[in-house]
Amino acid sequence: DAGVIQSPRHEVTEMGQEVTLRCKPISGHDYLFWYRQTMMRGLELLIYFNNNVPIDDSGMPEDRFSAKMPNASFSTLKIQPSEPRDSAVYFCASTLSSSGADTQYFGPGTRLTVL
Amino acid sequence: SQQGEEDPQALSIQEGENATMNCSYKTSINNLQWYRQNSGRGLVHLILIRSNEREKHSGRLRVTLDTSKKSSSLLITASRAADTASYFCATDGETSGSRLTFGEGTQLTVNP
Repeated sequence: DAGVIQSPRHEVTEMGQEVTLRCKPISGHDYLFWYRQTMMRGLELLIYFNNNVPIDDSGMPEDRFSAKMPNASFSTLKIQPSEPRDSAVYFCASTLSSSGADTQYFGPGTRLTVL
Repeated sequence: SQQGEEDPQALSIQEGENATMNCSYKTSINNLQWYRQNSGRGLVHLILIRSNEREKHSGRLRVTLDTSKKSSSLLITASRAADTASYFCATDGETSGSRLTFGEGTQLTVNP
């Protein structure tokens, strides 16, 4: 398996622009997570899905952020409008089941810079 | 604040030495995992320890868990330059299921 795939790997945009980050989880994994990593706040869970349904979006910072999972093999995280404080590395991860004993498999991340 | 807190925040050692990183957490857990992150990469799972276990080994890794103190330690023996990375503990909490809460990480530098 190719692992979790994220695109783009790097994104540079200007404040106010819409940004869409994409993720393809590992085939057969029922859970998908979106994280944000910054030096100041560390690794934060933004939202996670089970069988394409959002389960907990309490980590989504504000209404400018939205996430969708239209099918089992694709998810998007959208920021509109983007702001400089959104600059971070965004990770997608997937796991097989609901057990906290299962490994989360992380993608390589998307480094977002908002100017 | 986050469930897991690592210390030290940064650790610099020479190749061949052992590296010990500690993690403390606040609420009861079912499982604790350790992950590694190389610069510019995603996190990679290293080892899992369950709440009813006290110690676990995997190659050069040794993890201990003290649920009474709500703490865990990760020991890397005979370190190598390739072990240079950030190391994170992650806890699941008794009711959080698949949701993991990650600590702030320890940046380990192993000098050749």
